[in-house]
Parts: sequence; C-alpha cells; structure tokens
Amino acid sequence: GEQVEQRPPHLSVREGDSAVITCTYTDPNSYYFFWYKQEPGASLQLLMKVFSSTEINEGQGFTVLLNKKDKRLSLNLTAAHPGDSAAYFCAVSRFNSGGSNAKLTFGKGTKLSVKS
Amino acid sequence: NAGVIQTPRHKVTGKGQEATLWCEPISGHSAVFWYRQTIVQGLEFLTYFRNQAPIDDSGMPKERFSAQMPNQSHSTLKIQSTQPQDSAVYLCASSSDSNNNQAPLFGEGTRLSVL
Repeated sequence: GEQVEQRPPHLSVREGDSAVITCTYTDPNSYYFFWYKQEPGASLQLLMKVFSSTEINEGQGFTVLLNKKDKRLSLNLTAAHPGDSAAYFCAVSRFNSGGSNAKLTFGKGTKLSVKS
Repeated sequence: NAGVIQTPRHKVTGKGQEATLWCEPISGHSAVFWYRQTIVQGLEFLTYFRNQAPIDDSGMPKERFSAQMPNQSHSTLKIQSTQPQDSAVYLCASSSDSNNNQAPLFGEGTRLSVL
C-alpha cells in the first residue's frame, strides 16, 4: 500500500526564517495531496489541498510544491512566526474513478517550533 | 455551520470494558472516516463509509473493533474488551462527495484512555 515519509520530524526556526517540510510518497496513482496543521490539543485543520494537475500553490504565508516525477510534496512556510508553531501533516489519496472519496494516508508529522 | 462533532471528548475505561465513540458528520457530507492518532504510530486509517455504506475497513483491528453508520447524521465506533494499547485519540472526519477532491474535515477527536 501507499507509504508516505515525512521529514523532518522536528524543526526549530527563528521568527522570520523559512521552514520547509517535505513528504515523499510511493503510490504512482496518488492524485490528491493535503496539508493539515494541528495545534496542541486541537484537531487537524486543513491548510491546503493540491491536485496532481497543479504544481505550485500559494496560501497565506506558505507555498506548496508538488514534484510528481520525484513523488515529492513540500510545504514552505515563508517568514515563520510563533503562531505557526504546531504539528504539520501531509496526506495523500488515490484517484478514485468511481467518484467516491478515497482514504488518506498520512505522513508521521513534523513538529515545528518558531522562536521569537 | 457546525463542524464534525465527536462525543465524548474524553473517555476513560478499565481494561476489558467496552467503549463507544460517536461522530456527527457535517450536514450534507456523505463520506465519513475514522482515524486513530498515537504518538508512536501517528495517524492511522481505520474505516470509512460513503452514503452510510461501509466502503473500506482495512485499518480496523478485526476482533474487537466495529463501526456503524445507522443514519446520515451519525456514526459510531465501538471497541469491545478495551486494552491499554487502544489508548489513543480517535478522530472522525467527513467530506462532501460532490466530487473526488474534497478534503476531509476533522472533528476534535475523542481521547480514549484505557487503564
């Protein structure tokens, strides 16, 4: 089955620095990609969804890059601030021609700490 | 709009007791997913329903875990004869089935502690 490897498991940066989290996946049929943020004691908050037809997506304060050739997905937080401190998870699902939603396979997560 | 609602938020059981966890998906969402989160294993898929029908339960431990969705407004996850290794946060998520690119939205989870 699908395997998703996420690196690094822990990341500490100073306020204003960039932070990059990377996931690699194995299933060539992976088609939908998601990033979630989880603050301590809270649930998963959707940051961004990416489809395999797009390669660069920009959100508020971050960029998501998808490299299908290398099966690599990355989240780049530009100018991190203390409010970005949280755990971040990538998730991958397959294309399902039947139209139903397929299950997500998650990376193990990255605990980001942003120090002021 | 209310999000995915999970009850209870915390549950403590003794070893060997039964635990039932409840999930109310977002109104109008037809897909409901159950995941388990632990520090060691991370986020593990358990099972999911589409239009109340079970689609994939490949992540469910076969012997003691069961899930049902009797109507479109709630799903339950039942764990019989709970063991300490069942201690985890159980997360429910729902998504719209209008097309295949809707991200599942998660509830706040039920933290199960088995003593």
